[in-house]
Amino acid sequence: AQSVTQLDSQVPVFEEAPVELRCNYSSSVSVYLFWYVQYPNQGLQLLLKYLSGSTLVKGINGFEAEFNKSQTSFHLRKPSVHISDTAEYFCAVSAMDSNYQLIWGAGTKLIIKP
Amino acid sequence: DGGITQSPKYLFRKEGQNVTLSCEQNLNHDAMYWYRQDPGQGLRLIYYSQIVNDFQKGDIAEGYSVSREKKESFPLTVTSAQKNPTAFYLCASTLTSGRRNEQFFGPGTRLTVL
Repeated sequence: AQSVTQLDSQVPVFEEAPVELRCNYSSSVSVYLFWYVQYPNQGLQLLLKYLSGSTLVKGINGFEAEFNKSQTSFHLRKPSVHISDTAEYFCAVSAMDSNYQLIWGAGTKLIIKP
Repeated sequence: DGGITQSPKYLFRKEGQNVTLSCEQNLNHDAMYWYRQDPGQGLRLIYYSQIVNDFQKGDIAEGYSVSREKKESFPLTVTSAQKNPTAFYLCASTLTSGRRNEQFFGPGTRLTVL
């Protein structure tokens, strides 16, 4: 069975500062990894995904994530955040034996301080 | 534009009533999903369907029912047996041609029990 842990429920950061949102997963088989963003009272939107190849993945809105197989992590980063990045961010895993289901982390709320 | 629509955006239910949430997609996706979202708990899978006329229970199916009579439609009924239905409900879809495909989400329906 797979599991996903997002280590921080909330991350406060000043505007224009860098941010890292942490995601660790557990799986005995190979996985695909995803980060989604949810703005208040809206659905989820895909930020980026790791399928194979380069472990550094670039996504929309200036976000990137790095897949670290040895540490089973897929942390999300942005070098300079803006007030518009205020949202909840979800990490998800799709395992090779998953029957097309995603396993979701509990989410991290990114709070941008002016 | 292709996408997923959910209606209504807000729904109020009296105790003891059944209500049906609509989900329609024009992406020609095979698989569709219903999630429930509560604060601090991430997304929990209620039901999913990979093909027409077939669906499977997710982690929290009790008190819910679904149908999949058409490829583009996957309505969710919240029955009176669901003891705590107040939540944000999200519908998603994905191609089933491979596990590499991300899920696309609708805008959600917020259900409140009065």
